[in-house]
Amino acid sequence: AQSVSQHNHHVILSEAASLELGCNYSYGGTVNLFWYVQYPGQHLQLLLKYFSGDPLVKGIKGFEAEFIKSKFSFNLRKPSVQWSDTAEYFCAVPAPNRDDKIIFGKGTRLHILP
Amino acid sequence: DTGVSQNPRHKITKRGQNVTFRCDPISEHNRLYWYRQTLGQGPEFLTYFQNEAQLEKSRLLSDRFSAERPKGSFSTLEIQRTEQGDSAMYLCASSLARQGIQYFGAGTRLSVL
Repeated sequence: AQSVSQHNHHVILSEAASLELGCNYSYGGTVNLFWYVQYPGQHLQLLLKYFSGDPLVKGIKGFEAEFIKSKFSFNLRKPSVQWSDTAEYFCAVPAPNRDDKIIFGKGTRLHILP
Repeated sequence: DTGVSQNPRHKITKRGQNVTFRCDPISEHNRLYWYRQTLGQGPEFLTYFQNEAQLEKSRLLSDRFSAERPKGSFSTLEIQRTEQGDSAMYLCASSLARQGIQYFGAGTRLSVL
């Protein structure tokens, strides 16, 4: 079965600090990989995705993530965070050989100090 | 607004009562999903439909839970004889088959007293 691990449950940073949120998954077959974000009071929305090709993918608001197949990882990064990045971030991976069932990590709550 | 719409946004009920939630997906999306999210957890898959067919139900979905999508458009999720453990955010998402990207609604927050 697929599982998703997010290493940091709660991260507090000051504005302009660099961010890296860890995500590891267990099933090593061909995968699509997602990061979703939930801003306070808003619905879950897609931040970025990897389906194939360049393992370094760029998303909205300056976020990027790198797929490292050998490490089963898909870490999220941003060079310089802003107060508006305060949100909860979820890594998500489809169940093995499925394109319909997504497994989410437990999420990382990011708090940016102004 | 052409996104996924869920109603109601909040529901407070007494233990033992039945509740029903509604989800209206993005109009051209043929897949519709229900998830449950509790505090400190990511969304957990409950069930999904392709058009009007319910293709999978999670073990999380006890016999008290039933979901329908009668005309392949909106869906309802009913919980019978609610228990305090049912308190959670119930999320709906929709997608196009094989597109792989799910779009989420704002959720219905259920509180069972």
